[in-house]
Amino acid sequence: SQQGEEDPQALSIQEGENATMNCSYKTSINNLQWYRQNSGRGLVHLILIRSNEREKHSGRLRVTLDTSKKSSSLLITASRAADTASYFCATTEYNFNKFYFGSGTKLNVKP
Amino acid sequence: DAGVTQSPTHLIKTRGQQVTLRCSPKSGHDTVSWYQQALGQGPQFIFQYYEEEERQRGNFPDRFSGHQYPNYSSELNVNALLLGDSALYLCASSFRQGGAGGYTFGSGTRLTVV
Repeated sequence: SQQGEEDPQALSIQEGENATMNCSYKTSINNLQWYRQNSGRGLVHLILIRSNEREKHSGRLRVTLDTSKKSSSLLITASRAADTASYFCATTEYNFNKFYFGSGTKLNVKP
Repeated sequence: DAGVTQSPTHLIKTRGQQVTLRCSPKSGHDTVSWYQQALGQGPQFIFQYYEEEERQRGNFPDRFSGHQYPNYSSELNVNALLLGDSALYLCASSFRQGGAGGYTFGSGTRLTVV
């Protein structure tokens, strides 16, 4: 299975701290994306990193990709209570258009 | 610019019944994908529709079927409901199958089978 796995499964931090979550996957990918989900509702796209990229930034988000280790990390800096959500990584293979999602990291940012 | 619209938002059905979920894609998008998300899990790909045909399918039984209309809207049908079909069903739309321009997810339909 291509499905990724996030680590840790749950993370609790204080507002203002940084949050780091990791994702591992099993086969070659076209790109890797991170999504946020609030309270079991729809998925919100955060950032996409292509297989030939190693690092990408978007606001307070920093994503790294190590294709040799088949892993990615998402760093949220200066976290806010509003960042409380579940975070999922999703991969797509070459020539395929479906996402493979991991089981997610549940982030709780305490005010 | 409307995003992806799914209806209904919540639904309760009895085992053995049939259910139809609906999805209207984002304006400008022509491809619709459906995902099932069980509680505490990541979404699982069900199938994708493009040009009114099922183009890809995940590991789901034939009880799960779909349709895409000429206006690109889509339906997900589930027959002979099982308790295990209880989940959040997410629809994602994109332009073309390759997702150029990105995917947009709807807020989902929460299906409870009792």
